[in-house]
Amino acid sequence: KQEVTQIPAALSVPEGENLVLNCSFTDSAIYNLQWFRQDPGKGLTSLLLIQSSQREQTSGRLNASLDKSSGRSTLYIAASQPGDSATYLCAVKASGSARQLTFGSGTQLTVLP
Amino acid sequence: NAGVMQNPRHLVRRRGQEARLRCSPVKGHSHVYWYRQLPEEGLKFMVYLQKENIIDESGMPKERFSAEFPKEGPSILRIQQVVRGDSAAYFCASSPDRVIQETQYFGPGTRLLVL
Repeated sequence: KQEVTQIPAALSVPEGENLVLNCSFTDSAIYNLQWFRQDPGKGLTSLLLIQSSQREQTSGRLNASLDKSSGRSTLYIAASQPGDSATYLCAVKASGSARQLTFGSGTQLTVLP
Repeated sequence: NAGVMQNPRHLVRRRGQEARLRCSPVKGHSHVYWYRQLPEEGLKFMVYLQKENIIDESGMPKERFSAEFPKEGPSILRIQQVVRGDSAAYFCASSPDRVIQETQYFGPGTRLLVL
């Protein structure tokens, strides 16, 4: 059974800092890994999707890497801003016919002005 | 170009009542997924449906919960005889019927509070 763990559970940084969020998964047989952002009381916004054959994806100040063999992914946020404050969720889609995503519990990020 | 729509956004029920949650997928998407998020936790998969078929309900409690995705109309997640432990945010997601690697698009969720 796939398990996804995110460390740290919460993180508080001053504005402008670069930061790294970590995600690990127990079963390396995945189709893809996705990072989402969730604002309080809101839905999920997809940030980056990395296919199993890819090593990283970039979008603006965000960069996500994937090391499938070791079961790890990182989300790097450059020059953090208060508007980046949210919960960041990592999710993996298993190989095979299963289509559902398995989520981590998230990292709650606070960027202080 | 509407995304996934869910209603109601907030739902309050007393113990023993029924809760009906609705999800309209992105236009043209034929796959719907329901997830539940308990307070301070990540999302947990409940059920995966295609039009008129339940494909995988391995994450859904065996009793009191049911889901459907009829040929016409939204997908419905139904919870009978709700209990306080059902209080959570319920998210619906949809994806097209093209390739399995396609991302899922999430709705804003329905926050269910059971008194």
